[in-house]
Amino acid sequence: AQSVSQHNHHVILSEAASLELGCNYSYGGTVNLFWYVQYPGQHLQLLLKYFSGDPLVKGIKGFEAEFIKSKFSFNLRKPSVQWSDTAEYFCALGAGNMLTFGGGTRLMVKP
Amino acid sequence: NAGVTQTPKFRVLKTGQSMTLLCAQDMNHEYMYWYRQDPGMGLRLIHYSVGEGTTAKGEVPDGYNVSRLKKQNFLLGLESAAPSQTSVYFCASSPHYEQYFGPGTRLTVT
Repeated sequence: AQSVSQHNHHVILSEAASLELGCNYSYGGTVNLFWYVQYPGQHLQLLLKYFSGDPLVKGIKGFEAEFIKSKFSFNLRKPSVQWSDTAEYFCALGAGNMLTFGGGTRLMVKP
Repeated sequence: NAGVTQTPKFRVLKTGQSMTLLCAQDMNHEYMYWYRQDPGMGLRLIHYSVGEGTTAKGEVPDGYNVSRLKKQNFLLGLESAAPSQTSVYFCASSPHYEQYFGPGTRLTVT
């Protein structure tokens, strides 16, 4: 069975700080990986996705993530966060037409 | 396109009452999903469907039933609501892996 772990449950940053959110997965087959974002009171929206090819994927709003197969990781990064990035971020693993989500990381960006 | 819509947006039930949540999508997606979201637990899959007329159990199916009589609709039913079912419910649809989510239904069971 697959699983996804997000070790940072809460992160607080000041505007312009750099962001890195950790995501590790456990799965023995070919992986499809996603980061979703949920702004306060809203539904989940796709930030970026990795299916194959270049392990560094770029998404919307300046986010990027790097797939490191040897570390079973898919960490999310942003060089300079803004107050509007305050949200909850979910890493997800796609396998067998289903997504398995991590527990989420709540990011608060102080103005 | 409306994308994925959910009805109702909010609902309060008393223990033992029943209700049905409706999810509709206009993207002609084959796959549809029902999740519940609870603080600190991410999203957990309740049931899913890989096509019209098919359903399957997810991670936390107990206490819920589903039906997919039409490709565009996926219904989630609670036959006898319990306080443990207080949660936010999200529906999603997908052409394959990438899922598109609805706005959610906040359900409180007292």
